[in-house]
Amino acid sequence: NAGVMQNPRHLVRRRGQEARLRCSPMKGHSHVYWYRQLPEEGLKFMVYLQKENIIDESGMPKERFSAEFPKEGPSILRIQQVVRGDSAAYFCASSPWTGAGELFFGEGSRLTVL
Amino acid sequence: KNEVEQSPQNLTAQEGEFITINCSYSVGISALHWLQQHPGGGIVSLFMLSSGKKKHGRLIATINIQEKHSSLHITASHPRDSAVYICAVKRDTGNQFYFGTGTSLTVIP
Repeated sequence: NAGVMQNPRHLVRRRGQEARLRCSPMKGHSHVYWYRQLPEEGLKFMVYLQKENIIDESGMPKERFSAEFPKEGPSILRIQQVVRGDSAAYFCASSPWTGAGELFFGEGSRLTVL
Repeated sequence: KNEVEQSPQNLTAQEGEFITINCSYSVGISALHWLQQHPGGGIVSLFMLSSGKKKHGRLIATINIQEKHSSLHITASHPRDSAVYICAVKRDTGNQFYFGTGTSLTVIP
């Protein structure tokens, strides 16, 4: 039973390019959370999704950032026109259902913007 | 004010020492996690608690629901325990998790 899979593990982009980060939740999990961790800082909530629905995107910047979790395939966090301040580790976590307190993290995707 | 507060922020210990990391939270919760993150590494859930106490090897986690407080204890600490330990809670309403800022532990040989 594979855990939460994130790819790419490392991504380098130049300013102005687009970054796409993927997250495949654990089998049977329909809830996905994205968190950002800036260097030397804690985890910050970005967005919470269920299949085909964004439930809470209150932590996601209104511009340049978007997320989706389609019926088929992984959840994707997309950052358009990246800037140096977007350099961070982006973690995905999944949970099996709304009542569960369980939360399983991926290894993270580390974005570096040159 | 953060919903989850951890102390201390940084902790240095000699190998073999008993270590305690504290977590206080201000919201109603259905579960509390203790997470471990090694430098540059992923995040691993050590414990999920909703009441009482759990033990895994040299690690012990306790929670007092009435006082909204949890502790993580490490007995006979070892340099490989050096990591950031993060307390996270799941609210009892809604589906949101809240995270402490972490405790950076360094165990010196």
